[in-house]
Amino acid sequence: DAGVTQSPTHLIKTRGQQVTLRCSPKSGHDTVSWYQQALGQGPQFIFQYYEEEERQRGNFPDRFSGHQFPNYSSELNVNALLLGDSALYLCASSWTGREQYFGPGTRLTVT
Amino acid sequence: GEDVEQSLFLSVREGDSSVINCTYTDSSSTYLYWYKQEPGAGLQLLTYIFSNMDMKQDQRLTVLLNKKDKHLSLRIADTQTGDSAIYFCAESGGSQGNLIFGKGTKLSVKP
Repeated sequence: DAGVTQSPTHLIKTRGQQVTLRCSPKSGHDTVSWYQQALGQGPQFIFQYYEEEERQRGNFPDRFSGHQFPNYSSELNVNALLLGDSALYLCASSWTGREQYFGPGTRLTVT
Repeated sequence: GEDVEQSLFLSVREGDSSVINCTYTDSSSTYLYWYKQEPGAGLQLLTYIFSNMDMKQDQRLTVLLNKKDKHLSLRIADTQTGDSAIYFCAESGGSQGNLIFGKGTKLSVKP
């Protein structure tokens, strides 16, 4: 049973560009949450998707948007990239929201 | 507001017990979690405890919860060099389970 997978592993973008990150949840999970982890910090909650709808959102600007597909996979989109968006982006999946299992993350560098 | 605090560093000798402490502020948190993060990797769910429990044991791991003081601890028995990592405490911040993380405790195990 594959765990949570994320792609790409690493990404380098230029300030002002747009980026899309992808996540496939663990088999049997229907809820996907996205987190941003800056260097030396704990992960910060961005938003959570359930039944293809954004169910809950953290304190992130509208430049951060997402989508969940019928197969429960999810995308995170970030527009108008800033240097401060450089971070490890983590996807977590769960069935009830209780046990969240994390993927390996996508390391985004904005130059 | 919601906040989770942990000490940043802990150093122990191989074979000793490690105790990592955490305090949280949201008394309505239903579940409290411990995650492990190795360098360059995502987060691994170690264990979690329901808020109406005082203790949970899982092999070498023991979680203690003092709900009155909003204090959570993780004890690792017989600590090994492979336990060296960053350990994050997290509380569930809402009914759908968005997680609020501390900044992490870096555990160093000396042979």
